[in-house]
Amino acid sequence: SQQGEEDPQALSIQEGENATMNCSYKTSINNLQWYRQNSGRGLVHLILIRSNEREKHSGRLRVTLDTSKKSSSLLITASRAADTASYFCATDKGYGGATNKLIFGTGTLLAVQP
Amino acid sequence: DTAVSQTPKYLVTQMGNDKSIKCEQNLGHDTMYWYKQDSKKFLKIMFSYNNKELIINETVPNRFSPKSPDKAHLNLHINSLELGDSAVYFCASSQTGGGIYGYTFGSGTRLTVV
Repeated sequence: SQQGEEDPQALSIQEGENATMNCSYKTSINNLQWYRQNSGRGLVHLILIRSNEREKHSGRLRVTLDTSKKSSSLLITASRAADTASYFCATDKGYGGATNKLIFGTGTLLAVQP
Repeated sequence: DTAVSQTPKYLVTQMGNDKSIKCEQNLGHDTMYWYKQDSKKFLKIMFSYNNKELIINETVPNRFSPKSPDKAHLNLHINSLELGDSAVYFCASSQTGGGIYGYTFGSGTRLTVV
């Protein structure tokens, strides 16, 4: 299976703490993306990091990418109760042209306790 | 205005029935997708279309037939529904090649086959 793995499967923290989620994947990639899914809702794109980038920031989010280890991490700083959701990494192999597709990881369920 | 809208949101039907899910995007994207999320939250691509042309068909049973009348619409018709088809189906769209902004997902259609 091409599906990536995320670690941990579930994470429970207190408001104000930082949350770190890790993602490992199996094949070479064009870019890696992180998505959030609130319970019963669709996925929301958070951040995209290209294969030639090592770190990217967006607000309270920090993403790192290590292509030699085929891994990425998502750090959410100063977490809030509203950050409670499932977080998925997704790799885009970039076959070229219109043939790209996202391969999703297994997800991390984050619970932020107020 | 909803960027990617899919209907219905919920669908409960008996085994053997035929049903359709509709999807529309108003983002001007060229590529649209159908993803299936199972009970363990695994997300897997089913189909992608680029400018009304089928690009990806991920070994989906031929009971599933996508149709794209134009690049803003991608519908999914399912014949002879089976219990195992119960899942949440997500429509998504992106610029050709995935773009630099990732995919935009609809809110999902929860299909329950009884």
